Amino acid sequence: ILNVEQSPQSLHVQEGDSTNFTCSFPSSNFYALHWYRWETAKSPEALFVMTLNGDEKKKGRISATLNTKEGYSYLYIKGSQPEDSATYLCAFPDNTNAGKSTFGDGTTLTVKP
Amino acid sequence: DSGVTQTPKHLITATGQRVTLRCSPRSGDLSVYWYQQSLDQGLQFLIQYYNGEERAKGNILERFSAQQFPDLHSELNLSSLELGDSALYFCASSSRHSNSPLHFGNGTRLTVT
Repeated sequence: ILNVEQSPQSLHVQEGDSTNFTCSFPSSNFYALHWYRWETAKSPEALFVMTLNGDEKKKGRISATLNTKEGYSYLYIKGSQPEDSATYLCAFPDNTNAGKSTFGDGTTLTVKP
Repeated sequence: DSGVTQTPKHLITATGQRVTLRCSPRSGDLSVYWYQQSLDQGLQFLIQYYNGEERAKGNILERFSAQQFPDLHSELNLSSLELGDSALYFCASSSRHSNSPLHFGNGTRLTVT
């Protein structure tokens, strides 16, 4: 059983604050790491696909880094806005079947105006 | 819009009953995945079909079964339902490219009373 852990479980910040959270995963047999954003009453949407050690991906105010040797990825949100409120999931795909992913429990971010 | 269609959106049924959840993948995607999210648990992989054939199995109960039809839509059948089967059931599809993330449908909220 793969262990994909996310911390913290939840986070409450004020609008304009920058924040970050962590996903840790097995460092052996690394294939890829996916980040998803899951807004309330919607379905999870892919944010980033991370594949190489040292990868850094960015989409607007959200960025992610990857360290495959130590088995962690950070997601950063700069200048949080209320519309960033969501649950952020990381997923560790099976290296023989990318869709068979092990998901972390997510970090739920609430941004207060 | 992910392009993955799931019906119904909500389902309320009694213990012991049988239900069928339906999913149509994104146009061009051959793989369909079913995931379950129970209360206080993360997304759990149930089963995958690829072009009509079962490809991978996860934590799927024997009371549950699935199939994928020639037009690539998939059905998840849940029988002898128990209270603990109440959950959000997601269908997802992905392209054949490696490292592709999952594209999720909007989910079916199943409530067993």
